[in-house]
Amino acid sequence: QVQLVESGGGLVKPGGSLRLSCAASGFTFNDYYMSWIRQTPGKGLEWISYISNSGSGRYYADSVKGRFTISRDNAKKSLYLQMSSLRAEDTAVFHCARLAYCGGDCYLPDFWGQGTLVSVSS
Amino acid sequence: QSVLTQPPSASGTPGQRVTISCSGSTSNIGTNYIYWYQHLPGAAPKLLIYRNDQRPSGVPDRFSGSKSGPSASLAISGLRSEDEGDYYCAAWDVSLSGPVFGGGTKLTVL
Repeated sequence: QVQLVESGGGLVKPGGSLRLSCAASGFTFNDYYMSWIRQTPGKGLEWISYISNSGSGRYYADSVKGRFTISRDNAKKSLYLQMSSLRAEDTAVFHCARLAYCGGDCYLPDFWGQGTLVSVSS
Repeated sequence: QSVLTQPPSASGTPGQRVTISCSGSTSNIGTNYIYWYQHLPGAAPKLLIYRNDQRPSGVPDRFSGSKSGPSASLAISGLRSEDEGDYYCAAWDVSLSGPVFGGGTKLTVL
């Protein structure tokens, strides 16, 4: 069955960096677009970034553009999120999600991981 | 503030039917499919409804979805205690070129 397991979260100071990883199994990883989505009690779910199946296309929400970088290693069936210049408002649970094509330019999650907690505080 | 609008809470007694609404605009729900997710405590979010009204295999037919213009709804019939959790709607937004989500509805089974 499809499994997505995130790791790499933790406590980091404002301005610091962190790299999240997502290990995928149970499906042909290089067939799917993948995404990072974060969840906070106050703002709910927020799409952060997604990447095409080959890795050639990368898209970011304005809130993280220029600070976060998404990447993937299809040989290792892994998705990554390199986060830098972290701010207190980046504190959230970060979920890795597989995206399903839904027509036109539409891609929405069909499987999610449980998430990894990132806390940004001094 | 979420792009899609959901009521923050909903409740019902076992066996009842509950409906959760999701309101958007012509740039998201009005133009594209709506998806619904269930997030139970301690678990990963799970896809309940895709392409407005389709259920993935394994999702009971107690769950149903519908869409009309820029609004959608999720109905849960024969409510069970294990349905208690958070429910989110999502759609692709053509203006933002990305997925947008509702703020979530916390369902309580009384």
